[in-house]
Amino acid sequence: LAKTTQPISMDSYEGQEVNITCSHNNIATNDYITWYQQFPSQGPRFIIQGYKTKVTNEVASLFIPADRKSSTLSLPRVSLSDTAVYYCLVGDNYRGSTLGRLYFGRGTQLTVWP
Amino acid sequence: ETGVTQSPTHLIKTRGQQVTLRCSSQSGHNTVSWYQQALGQGPQFIFQYYREEENGRGNFPPRFSGLQFPNYSSELNVNALELDDSALYLCASSPSRTSTDTQYFGPGTRLTVL
Repeated sequence: LAKTTQPISMDSYEGQEVNITCSHNNIATNDYITWYQQFPSQGPRFIIQGYKTKVTNEVASLFIPADRKSSTLSLPRVSLSDTAVYYCLVGDNYRGSTLGRLYFGRGTQLTVWP
Repeated sequence: ETGVTQSPTHLIKTRGQQVTLRCSSQSGHNTVSWYQQALGQGPQFIFQYYREEENGRGNFPPRFSGLQFPNYSSELNVNALELDDSALYLCASSPSRTSTDTQYFGPGTRLTVL
C-alpha cells in the first residue's frame, strides 16, 4: 500500500508563503496526486491536483518532480482562515490492477498566527 | 457546499450491533468512496464503487460492506461493531472513474460504539 509522509505540523504568520511537502512511494503510475484541506468536524475539501511538473490554481500551486516520489503544496500569502489540516492523497497499484487503493496519510496541521 | 449529503449526522451503537450509513452523491457522479477517520488521524480508505461495482478496497475486514445504487446514493454497512469502529465516516463522490480524481466529500457521520 502506498504510504505518504508529511510533517505533522507547521506554523506560519499571516501573509507568508507556506510550502508543505509530501513524500510518497509506490504510487500508481497513472494516478493523480491530490491535496485536500480539512477543518475540524468537516469533510476534506479539494485544493489542487496534478500528475507531474507544476499546477497552479486560484488558491495554491503544486510542484511534482519527474520521479513523482514527492509533491509540494505551496500556499501564497496565508491568512488565519488557512489554519487547517492538509493532506496529500495518492493511489497505488494493487496486484497490478488499475483498480486503486487510496492513501491519505496523517496530514499536516498548519497553524497561521497573526 | 459539495452537494454530497450523509445521514445520520451522529449515531450511537453498542458492540456487536450492525449499522448502515447512507450517502447521497452529486447527480452524475458515478464513483463513490468511503473513508473511516479516527480522532486525530487521516481518513482511511475503506472502498470505492463505480457504477455499482467495487472499484478498489482498503485493508478493512469483510464485515465492512457497501452498496451503490443507480440513483447516486450509496450505503456503508458494518456488522458486528467493535469499539474501535468509533470514528467519523466520510463518503466522497467523483464524476470520474480514476481513483484519485477530484472527490467531493460529505460532512460525515459520527459513529460512537459503546
